[in-house]
Formats: sequence, structure tokens, C-alpha cells
Amino acid sequence: QKEVEQNSGPLSVPEGAIASLNCTYSDRGSQSFFWYRQYSGKSPELIMFIYSNGDKEDGRFTAQLNKASQYVSLLIRDSQPSDSATYLCAVNMREYGNKLVFGAGTILRVKS
Amino acid sequence: KAGVTQTPRYLIKTRGQQVTLSCSPISGHRSVSWYQQTPGQGLQFLFEYFSETQRNKGNFPGRFSGRQFSNSRSEMNVSTLELGDSALYLCASSYLLTGDEQYFGPGTRLTVT
Repeated sequence: QKEVEQNSGPLSVPEGAIASLNCTYSDRGSQSFFWYRQYSGKSPELIMFIYSNGDKEDGRFTAQLNKASQYVSLLIRDSQPSDSATYLCAVNMREYGNKLVFGAGTILRVKS
Repeated sequence: KAGVTQTPRYLIKTRGQQVTLSCSPISGHRSVSWYQQTPGQGLQFLFEYFSETQRNKGNFPGRFSGRQFSNSRSEMNVSTLELGDSALYLCASSYLLTGDEQYFGPGTRLTVT
């Protein structure tokens, strides 16, 4: 199993819909979880971080964490064409010396 | 607050040469991490520095090295460049050493010919 797994996509959603991005991780001791957005040709931009089980909301974004299932997700409400990007899940992995391990990313396409 | 800055933004080198990339973290951040991003391998961790000491290292050959200065600025060096070193090199800074949010700079696009 890869340390951090994401569906590569592309995930296509219509404008105004909810986009749901998922991520699983292998290290049960992980404590910090991050979502980055990366536009083509640009560097990753931190959009959400979550440390505790449950939901964390910030504007149109909601991060959900379930440590028992080793699962973290990102919901984007009222998706806009400008949300079209690659979304990277990153997990701070204790078993790897607390380094940040990134998933391969999910390509999101929001169609107007 | 100014973001993470990286110089140069673009670089073209020839096989066998060496290259030095520079990163200035967000003011007050003491941790700097370096990553290599390629289409095939994604984002791969190179190393992390905190208070001028390398605290963590990824699975890269010894040709890849780095250092951090007392003002938290960091440099990474790649010696004896290979074609496969062509990539986007990203620097990220954070306030704490581990578990903290990391903010990326714009990256240096290195092309090895």
C-alpha cells in the first residue's frame, strides 16, 4: 500500500455541484493532514489543514478526518470553473520521521 | 507578510554541471523543506532543515545536498547533474519543525540537457 493514496481522476463535476476528493493513508500514528491545490505550472497552495477527527469548514471547503479508517477527504461546495486544478493530500507521517508525504493528486475539472 | 521566495525561477544546465538553488522562508519561519516534483514521481521529499541542522532526509542520492543559514535562508545543491534531475524544485517553509503547515514558494524549474 502506498503511504498516501488518492484517485488520480480526473473528477469532473458541473458548476455549482459538490466535489468530493478522497485520500487514504497508511501510518495509523499520523497526526496532521493537509490539502493543497496546484494549478498547472504553479506551486502547491495550502487550502486546508486538519488535526482532529471530524469536520473542519472554511468557506466553500470542508475537510473531513476519520483516523480510525485512516481516511481524509475534502469537499468543495458550489464548485466553480476556477476550482479546476490538481488537489494534493499530504500527511505528516510519524513512521517516516515526521516528514510530509504527498499523494499523487486528484485532477478536478469543473465544467460550466 | 511576504511569502516564500525562490531563486532562480528557471535554470538550464548541461549534464555533469552542478547547480545551487536558493530559498528564503516566510519571516519568522525556521523550518525549510525541499521537494522535487516530476510528472512521473509526483512530489518527492528531499530534506528538511531547522535551526541550521538537517532534521530529515528523503531517498535521494548524495549528489543532492543542502544547508540552512542562521537567518533561516536555505540553499540546495545538485552536483554532477543528470537528465533525470530535470524537475520543478520546491521549497516550503513552516514555523515549527514537524506537523506544522508548510507554505510553498513558486519553485525553480530546472532543465538538464
